Amino acid sequence: AQSVTQPDARVTVSEGASLQLRCKYSYSGTPYLFWYVQYPRQGLQLLLKYYSGDPVVQGVNGFEAEFSKSNSSFHLRKASVHWSDSAVYFCALSVGTNSAGNKLTFGIGTRVLVRP
Amino acid sequence: NAGVIQTPRHKVTGKGQEATLWCEPISGHSAVFWYRQTIVQGLEFLTYFRNQAPIDDSGMPKERFSAQMPNQSHSTLKIQSTQPQDSAVYLCASSLDEGGTQYFGPGTRLLVL
Repeated sequence: AQSVTQPDARVTVSEGASLQLRCKYSYSGTPYLFWYVQYPRQGLQLLLKYYSGDPVVQGVNGFEAEFSKSNSSFHLRKASVHWSDSAVYFCALSVGTNSAGNKLTFGIGTRVLVRP
Repeated sequence: NAGVIQTPRHKVTGKGQEATLWCEPISGHSAVFWYRQTIVQGLEFLTYFRNQAPIDDSGMPKERFSAQMPNQSHSTLKIQSTQPQDSAVYLCASSLDEGGTQYFGPGTRLLVL
């Protein structure tokens, strides 16, 4: 079975600093990978996704992520954070586009606090 | 586009009562997913419909939980005889087609006293 690990439960950064959130996955093949963000009392919003091709994918609001098959990782980055980036970030994977693979498996999430 | 709509946003039930949660997917989306979010377990997949047909219910608890999609505009998740451990945020998501990006609703926060 596949799994997603986000090793950092909480990350605190200063506004304007860079941010990296780590995500490691376990799956024998090449998964489809996603980063979602959840603001308080809201649902999940997609930041970016990786299906294939260029391992660096660009997302919304200046976020990007890099896929590494050798490291089984999909880390999220942002060059300069804003206070509004304070939220919980989830890494997720699915294992295919057929009916058996569509469900998302999520990591536990990383809570990001941006200090002014 | 109103996005995925979930009602009610909050629900409080007494132990042993029934709870029905509603989800209206984005118009034109053929796939609907249900997830449960708790502090302890995080986000867990429950069940999934494609074109209203149940496809995968591997995450559904075997007892007391059921889901239906009677038409393309809504799905329901029903919990019979609710227990305190059912307290969670229940999230519904829809996607345009199989394998497409899942768009999430705001969730229903269920509290079982």
